[in-house]
Amino acid sequence: DTEVTQTPKHLVMGMTNKKSLKCEQHMGHRAMYWYKQKAKKPPELMFVYSYEKLSINESVPSRFSPECPNSSLLNLHLHALQPEDSALYLCASSLPQGNEKLFFGSGTQLSVL
Amino acid sequence: QKEVEQNSGPLSVPEGAIASLNCTYSDRVSQSFFWYRQYSGKSPELIMSIYSNGDKEDGRFTAQLNKASQYVSLLIRDSQPSDSATYLCAVTTGGFKTIFGAGTRLFVKA
Repeated sequence: DTEVTQTPKHLVMGMTNKKSLKCEQHMGHRAMYWYKQKAKKPPELMFVYSYEKLSINESVPSRFSPECPNSSLLNLHLHALQPEDSALYLCASSLPQGNEKLFFGSGTQLSVL
Repeated sequence: QKEVEQNSGPLSVPEGAIASLNCTYSDRVSQSFFWYRQYSGKSPELIMSIYSNGDKEDGRFTAQLNKASQYVSLLIRDSQPSDSATYLCAVTTGGFKTIFGAGTRLFVKA
């Protein structure tokens, strides 16, 4: 299985809502990532988990809260988002050594109203 | 600041031609180099990785790396309309951070 599965594919939420994005991989990868991508821009790293522990937080606002319940699952909890948070949110996984190629999920297109 | 530079394009080539995409990077200790293809509205997909100086070929794709010049390129032979996409050059310098270039939009005309 070489897929990274993300749900939902599309999400519309109000600024007072709480929602979660989910990501699952069964490639045995022990590094998992959240990226944010705005239109016509490259992906921007948000968080990295290595062996289920938070390894990198790129100074992301606290309205984004990541969680890695086990080696296959990665969640991103969203609360009190702003319209400027509307973007494509990408989950990725890789081998845990660093300097590795990334396998991306199909992404969640998020719109904040 | 570590940077990866690409010409944003669009690069337009006729079907069957060779498309040449270029990338430069600023950090001399960069270790791994990747090309990702991203179709509009879709997620990036790895198409090539290269780790040492020289050429690496995979089907119609050839990646070239020159660490002395801090230069990476991707050649697409026999370009097809289905190759029309944005190509992201990406570099790692150790650890889990991948630095992406802004991407080059390629348009292959039928």
